[in-house]
Amino acid sequence: DIVMTQSPDSLAVSLGERATINCKSSQSILYRSNNKNYLGWYQQKPGQPPKLLIYWASTRESGVPDRFSGSGSGTDFTLTISNLQAEDVAVYYCQQYYSTPYTFGQGTKLEIK
Amino acid sequence: QVQLQESGPGLVKPWETLSLTCSVSGYSISSGYYWDWVRQPPGRGLEWIGSIYHSGSTYYNPSLNSRVTISIETSKNQFSLKLISVTAADAALYYCARVAVSSGGSHNWFDSWGQGTRVTVSS
Repeated sequence: DIVMTQSPDSLAVSLGERATINCKSSQSILYRSNNKNYLGWYQQKPGQPPKLLIYWASTRESGVPDRFSGSGSGTDFTLTISNLQAEDVAVYYCQQYYSTPYTFGQGTKLEIK
Repeated sequence: QVQLQESGPGLVKPWETLSLTCSVSGYSISSGYYWDWVRQPPGRGLEWIGSIYHSGSTYYNPSLNSRVTISIETSKNQFSLKLISVTAADAALYYCARVAVSSGGSHNWFDSWGQGTRVTVSS
């Protein structure tokens, strides 16, 4: 199984500042034939299902604010939230869809400082 | 816009069978996509259970493989999950989700989710 490890487990950031969440896969999730990284990012607010933010590691889902951005390749990935808003308080998960079983990171809880 | 809604018993006895159904509206499940189940134990992260393609092909998490069955009922626009011999470790919030498919038919990201249904395992 591909193990996804996120860091930190939690972080507190001031409104208007930048939040950075890291995700590391235990093996490369870059498919060389199409040069795509098989990684998604999700936001889960309390009492709600996860919501897709980013796919292919850096492609923003339609309707997601442009303050959310994804980067990285191979085994190391980052979700950056710029200009943090109060509504961004949530748990964020990365997920690999490179191979079964599809696996998620343990989650990063983002709070306002 | 596609909508998914889970349904089923909220309480299952140990060693019995958990059965859940996901009703899909706004899209015909026979037209495409993978249709998956994901669960989230209380206060914990997300675990992929398994997937069914619109054609009926299934893929399961090996950690559950021998206990899980996912089926599809296109006439009702539903797909279902059966998990046998449940224990306390199977107590969780169970989500159904639609999975994006890229050219070539590869299983990609979860683009739509149901609200989830909580399952408790207790006698």
